[in-house]
Amino acid sequence: DAGVIQSPRHEVTEMGQEVTLRCKPISGHNSLFWYRQTMMRGLELLIYFNNNVPIDDSGMPEDRFSAKMPNASFSTLKIQPSEPRDSAVYFCASTPRGSGYGYTFGSGTRLTVV
Amino acid sequence: SQQGEEDPQALSIQEGENATMNCSYKTSINNLQWYRQNSGRGLVHLILIRSNEREKHSGRLRVTLDTSKKSSSLLITASRAADTASYFCATDPGAGSYQLTFGKGTKLSVIP
Repeated sequence: DAGVIQSPRHEVTEMGQEVTLRCKPISGHNSLFWYRQTMMRGLELLIYFNNNVPIDDSGMPEDRFSAKMPNASFSTLKIQPSEPRDSAVYFCASTPRGSGYGYTFGSGTRLTVV
Repeated sequence: SQQGEEDPQALSIQEGENATMNCSYKTSINNLQWYRQNSGRGLVHLILIRSNEREKHSGRLRVTLDTSKKSSSLLITASRAADTASYFCATDPGAGSYQLTFGKGTKLSVIP
């Protein structure tokens, strides 16, 4: 298995533009998580899905952020419109359903909004 | 808010020495996990210890858990330059919730 695959690896965009981050979880993993990492706040959970259904999106900072998981092998995180304070590294992670398993993280997308 | 808090924030040691990092947390857990993150990379799962376990080993890693003190420690023995990375603890509350909450990490530098 190639692991959790995220794209793009780097994204530079202008303030006000729409940004879409993509994630392909490990096959057979039923839970998918989106995290954001910054120096100031560390790793923050934005949203997670179980069996493609969003379970908890309380970490999504505001309505500009949205996430979808149309099927078991694909998820997107969209920011519209983007702002400079959204600059961070965004990670996707997956795990088999159930507590007691470690997460497998993707390599992340480094987003810079100028 | 962060559930786990690592201590120290940064640690610098010589190659061959042991490195110990600590993690404290606030609420009850089902298990606690440790992850490593190399610069510019994603997090890598190292080890998981369940709430009914007190100690666990994996290669040069030794993890302890004290649920009465709500604390855990990660010991890396005979450190190598390749161990240079940030180390995070993460708590799993269980009870049907699969959310891990991460601390801010300990940055370990191993000097050759």
